[in-house]
Amino acid sequence: DGGITQSPKYLFRKEGQNVTLSCEQNLNHDAMYWYRQDPGQGLRLIYYSQIVNDFQKGDIAEGYSVSREKKESFPLTVTSAQKNPTAFYLCASSPDWGVGENTEAFFGQGTRLTVV
Amino acid sequence: AQSVTQLDSHVSVSEGTPVLLRCNYSSSYSPSLFWYVQHPNKGLQLLLKYTSAATLVKGINGFEAEFKKSETSFHLTKPSAHMSDAAEYFCVVSAPPQGDKLIFGTGTRLQVFP
Repeated sequence: DGGITQSPKYLFRKEGQNVTLSCEQNLNHDAMYWYRQDPGQGLRLIYYSQIVNDFQKGDIAEGYSVSREKKESFPLTVTSAQKNPTAFYLCASSPDWGVGENTEAFFGQGTRLTVV
Repeated sequence: AQSVTQLDSHVSVSEGTPVLLRCNYSSSYSPSLFWYVQHPNKGLQLLLKYTSAATLVKGINGFEAEFKKSETSFHLTKPSAHMSDAAEYFCVVSAPPQGDKLIFGTGTRLQVFP
């Protein structure tokens, strides 16, 4: 089945540690996105990538890093510099970037990160 | 820059009664508009989208939305609520010059009572 797979579903991190969240898609989509979701705040864009080997900062990129070495993979690293990392993280992909029919995004099931 | 405002953070309805979730947008250009649904601890699923074709858009599970440019609104409706509709709903806009970004509203939590 085609789709987006995020792993793990739940992740616990000690303060001061870096952790990497996985996102894989087999939809052959060019664009991929990482969002952070906090209660009452909707989704906020962390990073996005329009094409392999290229990515752009979103609205809340500080304390996060990404890579896009392969079209199907867009891992997110939450670094120790992120002051409040506890949140629900959602990965998405879309066939293309830009306004129009191909702007529809498909979402993974999310990773809930908790700092302990 | 574009933005979207969901006017209600919570909406409660009885099963079998109509649903109305309100969304207003702001954009200097013709936008694309979407409604997504999220069940607890799950990803988001697209309900419907408007991309400059018909102003009345029909989606999955009996939902529909009407694009009203004069009112800058894109309200989501359903004639008869079902218990399984209980979830969080997000209104989303995408428009130039940031056409490669989706801008999310803060969400509306829909409760359905028996």
